[in-house]
Amino acid sequence: ETGVTQTPRHLVMGMTNKKSLKCEQHLGHNAMYWYKQSAKKPLELMFVYSLEERVENNSVPSRFSPECPNSSHLFLHLHTLQPEDSALYLCASSQDYARGPDTQYFGPGTRLTVL
Amino acid sequence: GQNIDQPTEMTATEGAIVQINCTYQTSGFNGLFWYQQHAGEAPTFLSYNVLDGLEEKGRFSSFLSRSKGYSYLLLKELQMKDSASYLCAVRDRDYKLSFGAGTTVTVRA
Repeated sequence: ETGVTQTPRHLVMGMTNKKSLKCEQHLGHNAMYWYKQSAKKPLELMFVYSLEERVENNSVPSRFSPECPNSSHLFLHLHTLQPEDSALYLCASSQDYARGPDTQYFGPGTRLTVL
Repeated sequence: GQNIDQPTEMTATEGAIVQINCTYQTSGFNGLFWYQQHAGEAPTFLSYNVLDGLEEKGRFSSFLSRSKGYSYLLLKELQMKDSASYLCAVRDRDYKLSFGAGTTVTVRA
């Protein structure tokens, strides 16, 4: 247990569906992250939030929409996804963004399959 | 973009030592991390290096040479539970963390 939880753990959706991934951290951290992990590829950073403000958006398609209502919760809203979006989506948190060691702690991920 | 290279796979025997190398080319440097990820689980933090030299933590050690853009993770007295993927990640001058593709280590009895 890293103190970061994600739900659901597995999700199968059609290309026309709308779904949301949820992440919650119990560590009192100020920064939260979404990553995409595809087989045999490096983790790809998607979004970063620091103190509930988005600080990075790495050219992610608009069919992925993040939301950070408070420093403990992070959502990833999914809409009209493509089969190539099937991957493991990992959430992480760190004490602060861009300060000191800033070690990131990861949740278990949501395994997403788009049919 | 950033370039982080590590071997795809390594195999070793229980009780042995394995060294996983990582080379990187990034825009500036603000630290290097090693993570362990078991299949189907979250990556978990192993080590952090920001200065040159060796950091030891039990059976695991991590080494950094900033001038060479090089790090290694040393796993000693290998156990079956060490079978996992090991991720090298480097933070650049903008504090952006970039990951290598990971090295899958298989420990055999």
